[in-house]
Amino acid sequence: QVQLVQSGAEVKKPGASVKVSCKGSGYRFSNYAVQWVRQAPGQGLEWMGWIYPANGNTIYSRNLQGRVAITRDNSANTVFLEMSGLKFEDTAVYYCARKHVSRTYLDSWGPGTLVTVSS
Amino acid sequence: QSVLTQPPSVSGAPGQTVTISCTGSNSNIGAGHDVNWYQQVPGSVPKVVIYDNTNRPSGVPDRFSGSKSATSASLVITGLQAEDGADYYCHSFDIGLSGVIFGGGTRVTVL
Repeated sequence: QVQLVQSGAEVKKPGASVKVSCKGSGYRFSNYAVQWVRQAPGQGLEWMGWIYPANGNTIYSRNLQGRVAITRDNSANTVFLEMSGLKFEDTAVYYCARKHVSRTYLDSWGPGTLVTVSS
Repeated sequence: QSVLTQPPSVSGAPGQTVTISCTGSNSNIGAGHDVNWYQQVPGSVPKVVIYDNTNRPSGVPDRFSGSKSATSASLVITGLQAEDGADYYCHSFDIGLSGVIFGGGTRVTVL
């Protein structure tokens, strides 16, 4: 079955960087776009960006452009989200999610990775 | 402030019908981009309940339905049940922002 497994929780200081991984299994990894969505405590969902593993093409949210980089390692069926210049307000659960192969919706989600920014 | 506007909360008694609106603009819903709806029970991962405006994935009860008109979309839950209490988010694409957008979310409370 389709599964997305994410790396563990992180605690970072303001100004630091964090890298979160998302490993896909149970499907042809390179055929499906992977998106990153975050959710601050008690808040709604915020789209961060996506990558097409087949060619590495990315699109980022304008709100976060310049601080976010999404990369992939197809040999390991893994997508990475790296965020730099962390601020207190970046404290959130970060989800990776797979986009349906031919539709626009996200059909499988990782369990989420809590990133806490604290001094 | 989200580009897609949803009411913060709606409520209804078991068996009643609730409607959640998602209001966009000509750069997203009005531009023809499809709307998806996700249900998120607190502490859980979001799950799609409606995709491409009106379609229900297998396993989603038929009491969930969706519609789209002009620059808005709606999610309707007919015959509300206790397990429908959750947060619901609409989801689409915005050509002005060149990216995916979520509504601010609506909390459904089953009285």
